[in-house]
Amino acid sequence: NAGVTQTPKFQVLKTGQSMTLQCAQDMNHEYMSWYRQDPGMGLRLIHYSVGAGITDQGEVPNGYNVSRSTTEDFPLRLLSAAPSQTSVYFCASRRGQGNTYNEQFFGPGTRLTVL
Amino acid sequence: GQQVMQIPQYQHVQEGEDFTTYCNSSTTLSNIQWYKQRPGGHPVFLIQLVKSGEVKKQKRLTFQFGEAKKNSSLHITATQTTDVGTYFCARGTGNQFYFGTGTSLTVIP
Repeated sequence: NAGVTQTPKFQVLKTGQSMTLQCAQDMNHEYMSWYRQDPGMGLRLIHYSVGAGITDQGEVPNGYNVSRSTTEDFPLRLLSAAPSQTSVYFCASRRGQGNTYNEQFFGPGTRLTVL
Repeated sequence: GQQVMQIPQYQHVQEGEDFTTYCNSSTTLSNIQWYKQRPGGHPVFLIQLVKSGEVKKQKRLTFQFGEAKKNSSLHITATQTTDVGTYFCARGTGNQFYFGTGTSLTVIP
């Protein structure tokens, strides 16, 4: 199993540009999520999904969109990039949902810089 | 709120010394997870605690969940250079996870 994969590894954008961060998992996990990691802030949840066709907002959703058309894929879209979105983005997945708190498997991350 | 507070933010130890990081919440936790992130890497799950007073060990790592389920700790005995990284606690509530700010461990050979 490849686990959780993310592309690209690095990206530089100009303010106002849009892009999609890709995330895929091959473990048939119901739950997938996106986090951003900033220095001194830990990981903060952006959006999550408990299954295909179901998404919801996390702690810091503004400026980001997600969709979940398949169990495997959970892309994150930045509609109009801003310097405040410069961060490292991690995708994660886990079995189950709700109060079934199984371990989360994280992808390798995407380091995004917005100029 | 939903956050978990983690201390200290940084810790430098000589190789062979012990290390402890603490995770505290103002509200009762239903669970607490611990993750390790190596420099430049991604978080890797270490363990989950769910029972009051629970203690779990993984080789030199000891994890504890407080009796009141409002705090947790990770203790590493006789640190090694391979222990370098940032250790995070995380609480799960509903479908969301809230991470602590992490403790960055540096081990001086």
